[in-house]
Amino acid sequence: NAGVTQTPKFQVLKTGQSMTLQCAQDMNHNSMYWYRQDPGMGLRLIYYSASEGTTDKGEVPNGYNVSRLNKREFSLRLESAAPSQTSVYFCASSETSQETQYFGPGTRLLVL
Amino acid sequence: LAKTTQPISMDSYEGQEVNITCSHNNIATNDYITWYQQFPSQGPRFIIQGYKTKVTNEVASLFIPADRKSSTLSLPRVSLSDTAVYYCLVGDRPNTGGFKTIFGAGTRLFVKA
Repeated sequence: NAGVTQTPKFQVLKTGQSMTLQCAQDMNHNSMYWYRQDPGMGLRLIYYSASEGTTDKGEVPNGYNVSRLNKREFSLRLESAAPSQTSVYFCASSETSQETQYFGPGTRLLVL
Repeated sequence: LAKTTQPISMDSYEGQEVNITCSHNNIATNDYITWYQQFPSQGPRFIIQGYKTKVTNEVASLFIPADRKSSTLSLPRVSLSDTAVYYCLVGDRPNTGGFKTIFGAGTRLFVKA
C-alpha cells in the first residue's frame, strides 16, 4: 500500500494563476482532509470530506475549493493564487472522522 | 470549539523521560485525544490515542485524568531522533454537525546529546 500520495511535490505559481493539488489514498478510508502549514506553525484545516460525496469547510477555507472525486481522491483547487497561500499543503485520510489520520508527504507551494 | 494548549517548546537530554502536557478544557464527551509527531519536511505521524486513564504502546504512554481536561504524553528514554514537533489533537463536533480537526501549534521537543 502506498498510503496517501500527493502530487505535485513542489510547485511555483505566479499571483493569479490557478492550480489543483491532487491527493489519493489506497486504504479505503471514508474521511479525507486538506491542511496547510505555514513556516514554524501548526496545521490548519482547510476543507474536509467526512465521506464520499460530502465536503465541508475547515478553519481557513477562503481562496480554496475542493472536490471529493470518489472515495480514493480528494483534490484542492486554488482558483487565483495569492502570495498568502505560499505554504506546505498536507492531505490526510482516516477510516472515520474520529480515527487516526494518515498524512501524505506534502506539497510545497510558492506563490510569487 | 474544543482547543488545545501545549508548551511551545521543551528541551531534554538523551535517555531522559519527557512528559508533554496538553490542556483541553472544552473536550466533549465523545472526543478522543490523539497525539501526533512531525519531523521536518514530513507529514504528521500518529503516536498514540486514548479516551481516559492510561494507554501505552511501544512508543509512548498517554495519561488522562478523570476529568479529561488535560492529557500527558510520556516518552521514555528519548533519543536524538525524537527531536520533533508533537501535536495534541482533540476531536471537535460543532452543533451544526460534521467534524473539524483542531491542531494546535504543537510542542517543539529538542533532544540534546
